[in-house]
Amino acid sequence: QEQLVESGGGVVQPGRSLRLSCAASGFTFSHYAMHWVRQAPGKGLEWVAAISYDGGDKYYADSVKGRVTISRDNSNNRLYLQMNSLRPEDTAVYYCATGVSAMAPPFGYWGQGTLVTVSS
Amino acid sequence: QSVLTQPPSASGTPGQRVTISCSGSSSNIGNNYVYWYQQLPGTAPKFVIYRDNQRPSGVPDRFSGSKSGTSASLAISGLRSEDEADYYCAAWDDSRSVLFGGGTKLTVL
Repeated sequence: QEQLVESGGGVVQPGRSLRLSCAASGFTFSHYAMHWVRQAPGKGLEWVAAISYDGGDKYYADSVKGRVTISRDNSNNRLYLQMNSLRPEDTAVYYCATGVSAMAPPFGYWGQGTLVTVSS
Repeated sequence: QSVLTQPPSASGTPGQRVTISCSGSSSNIGNNYVYWYQQLPGTAPKFVIYRDNQRPSGVPDRFSGSKSGTSASLAISGLRSEDEADYYCAAWDDSRSVLFGGGTKLTVL
């Protein structure tokens, strides 16, 4: 059964760093582009970043550009999101999701999300 | 980055047909495919329409998508109580990003 499981969320102080991880199973991870999408409490969905199936192409939302790095390890079926210089407005549930392309919205499998809270 | 524009709320009675709109521009909806997602309370989103009007397996044919110019719509016919959820549209923007709509809360009266 196809599954995505996010981890690495938690409470972190403003200005600190956090690395989120997304473990994939039940499908051929290396065939899919991957996305991170976040949702602040009580708010809508916001796309964060995307990476092509081979990691060669990466795209970022303006709101996180320069502070966030998306990466993947196809040998271990894992997706990562390194977040630096965290701000209170980064507080959200972070979802990983598959896509056919990094240059299109995600569709297919979604994880259940991991909560990141940025607070002093 | 701009957000695609959706009405914040929509409603209908069981059996009715409701439509949710999504307005964008030539750099996103006008030039790229639109996707629609359903998010039930407390759960992860699930896509219900891809590439403007394609329905994935498992999604009832009561759900349909359409697009004209820089606007798109999601229609749900034969409305059921289990359709009560938040709905989001999304599209690639030529500025090299994915844009989501602000979301529409659908209430089944």
